Amino acid sequence: EAGVTQFPSHSVIEKGQTVTLRCDPISGHDNLYWYRRVMGKEIKFLLHFVKESKQDESGMPNNRFLAERTGGTYSTLKVQPAELEDSGVYFCASSPTLAHNEQFFGPGTRLTVL
Amino acid sequence: KNQVEQSPQSLIILEGKNCTLQCNYTVSPFSNLRWYKQDTGRGPVSLTIMTFSENTKSNGRYTATLDADTKQSSLHITASQLSDSASYICVVGSGGSYIPTFGRGTSLIVHP
Repeated sequence: EAGVTQFPSHSVIEKGQTVTLRCDPISGHDNLYWYRRVMGKEIKFLLHFVKESKQDESGMPNNRFLAERTGGTYSTLKVQPAELEDSGVYFCASSPTLAHNEQFFGPGTRLTVL
Repeated sequence: KNQVEQSPQSLIILEGKNCTLQCNYTVSPFSNLRWYKQDTGRGPVSLTIMTFSENTKSNGRYTATLDADTKQSSLHITASQLSDSASYICVVGSGGSYIPTFGRGTSLIVHP
């Protein structure tokens, strides 16, 4: 069974540009999570989808970040316009049922904003 | 504020040796504690999970302990192998919340 996949693996953009990250969860997993790890810091929660609905987006840094999960399958995370402090590794994770079950992580997208 | 502190920040050991990684947390209410292994360029993979009532859990050469009274956990790696080189992350779940709190991880390098 395929795990969580993310695209692209790396992205280098200039400040002010737009970038869209994609996450494909494990098939059948209703829960999808986005996390971010800024260099030297711990992984932090961004938001949580249950199917196509945003369950919690309390971790989203600001309104330059927009996450969608149309149809409850894959998800995208758009950063527009990107700022230097958005650089980091963006992880996606999915889980089959709620909350305290194990989350399966993707390999992450390394975003560098110059 | 929920926090997870890990030590040491990095560790270098020789192949075949044992090592122990530490995790202290201030997460309330406590639900569970996981140790993850993250290889370079990959996402974290769960090694062990412990709930409040469990004080030890093994997964092959990995043994995790939990002291819920002192809010400490350790991950012991026995007879280390080169493939154990990775970042080990302690993650604590809070009761009633699916948002876990991550530690910064311990970077382990195993030398031949």
